[in-house]
Amino acid sequence: GAGVSQSPSNKVTEKGKDVELRCDPISGHTALYWYRQSLGQGLEFLIYFQGNSAPDKSGLPSDRFSAERTGGSVSTLTIQRTQQEDSAVYLCASRSTTGAQDGYTFGSGTRLTVV
Amino acid sequence: AQSVTQLGSHVSVSEGALVLLRCNYSSSVPPYLFWYVQYPNQGLQLLLKYTSAATLVKGINGFEAEFKKSETSFHLTKPSAHMSDAAEYFCAVSDTSGTYKYIFGTGTRLKVLA
Repeated sequence: GAGVSQSPSNKVTEKGKDVELRCDPISGHTALYWYRQSLGQGLEFLIYFQGNSAPDKSGLPSDRFSAERTGGSVSTLTIQRTQQEDSAVYLCASRSTTGAQDGYTFGSGTRLTVV
Repeated sequence: AQSVTQLGSHVSVSEGALVLLRCNYSSSVPPYLFWYVQYPNQGLQLLLKYTSAATLVKGINGFEAEFKKSETSFHLTKPSAHMSDAAEYFCAVSDTSGTYKYIFGTGTRLKVLA
């Protein structure tokens, strides 16, 4: 697609429920990132996918968080047993393999509210 | 390890005045540096980038930034603020190999006064 698409744009969930957030990157972009934007924590790196390589999961805050990328395209970020501190905007970004100097293209984010 | 410091979480300027948003970085290797802008309820949009070419970088919407290695700074400027510039601005540093993941500053919210 023309841009990075994220869904849903807003999600309200009850504490303890699981949620899935979806990211559809720009067609042909092999690198995909998830970031979390929350009050008091700013923008935090979560996970990085590059092609078929093992993902860099070094930013995932706990084992309740996981992500996968199927077919080198769409990615899903899953949060199990959500907690109130998980409330944040989750941003996805993609870039081309050779485009590190070009910067990322970000999606509009998913605003997650845990009540 | 890399880090980014943005001085001033909130900056107010009058319409038509100079905009100066400060960013200092720390990196053990030559970095890539970026400025992004975020409008309410939107994602981040790339304003400009430094990737070891010209030290004075021009971006969109009349913004520019100068990379000063001696000062480890990458301040964002615009000669004349417009009401539409009101937004949050983020400085980011990335490494130049491997994952190219970003370390972001905490952001500066720019308010433009009529």
